[in-house]
Amino acid sequence: DTGVSQDPRHKITKRGQNVTFRCDPISEHNRLYWYRQTLGQGPEFLTYFQNEAQLEKSRLLSDRFSAERPKGSFSTLEIQRTEQGDSAMYLCASSFWRREVDTQYFGPGTRLTVL
Amino acid sequence: AQKITQTQPGMFVQEKEAVTLDCTYDTSDQSYGLFWYKQPSSGEMIFLIYQGSYDEQNATEGRYSLNFQKARKSANLVISASQLGDSAMYFCAMRDAYPMYSGGGADGLTFGKGTHLIIQP
Repeated sequence: DTGVSQDPRHKITKRGQNVTFRCDPISEHNRLYWYRQTLGQGPEFLTYFQNEAQLEKSRLLSDRFSAERPKGSFSTLEIQRTEQGDSAMYLCASSFWRREVDTQYFGPGTRLTVL
Repeated sequence: AQKITQTQPGMFVQEKEAVTLDCTYDTSDQSYGLFWYKQPSSGEMIFLIYQGSYDEQNATEGRYSLNFQKARKSANLVISASQLGDSAMYFCAMRDAYPMYSGGGADGLTFGKGTHLIIQP
């Protein structure tokens, strides 16, 4: 059973550029979550999907952030017009949710550096 | 809203000793889940253990156990017989079972700031 994978693992970009990250969840999982983690902090929830539906996006940090999960499998997180403050680790997690509380399994993360 | 507090920014422990990492939480919901994750320097968050708010027994997973004291809103992680490979950041996290009803908002996990555990030989 393969775990959650994320690509790329590292991304360096210049301020103002757009970046896109990909997450492939564990195959039988129906939920997919995105988090951001800045230095010295715990992860901060951004958004999540149940199958294809994005059920929560009010926590996305600004309208420059968007996420998709077009066929209910992999997901992408895009940041437009990157700013230096966007430099962080972006973590993806997946789970199989039936009711109440699900256990989320995380990928290795994508570390973004905005110059 | 949910809140997790981890009061130990860093801990040094001798190898083979038991370790207790503190976690207190706050929520208005009656049904919720508590989690501990380990994050080595590589960055990946590794799930360690889960405790449901209605579970009567403390959760155990190998060398990990969760000391759950509901009245005190405490969910401490105990690592028995620590090993050098246990050196990492440890995060306590929680989620309400029904955040749309408790006012907690989204279904994501709320994390604490973490404890940096260093095991010394």
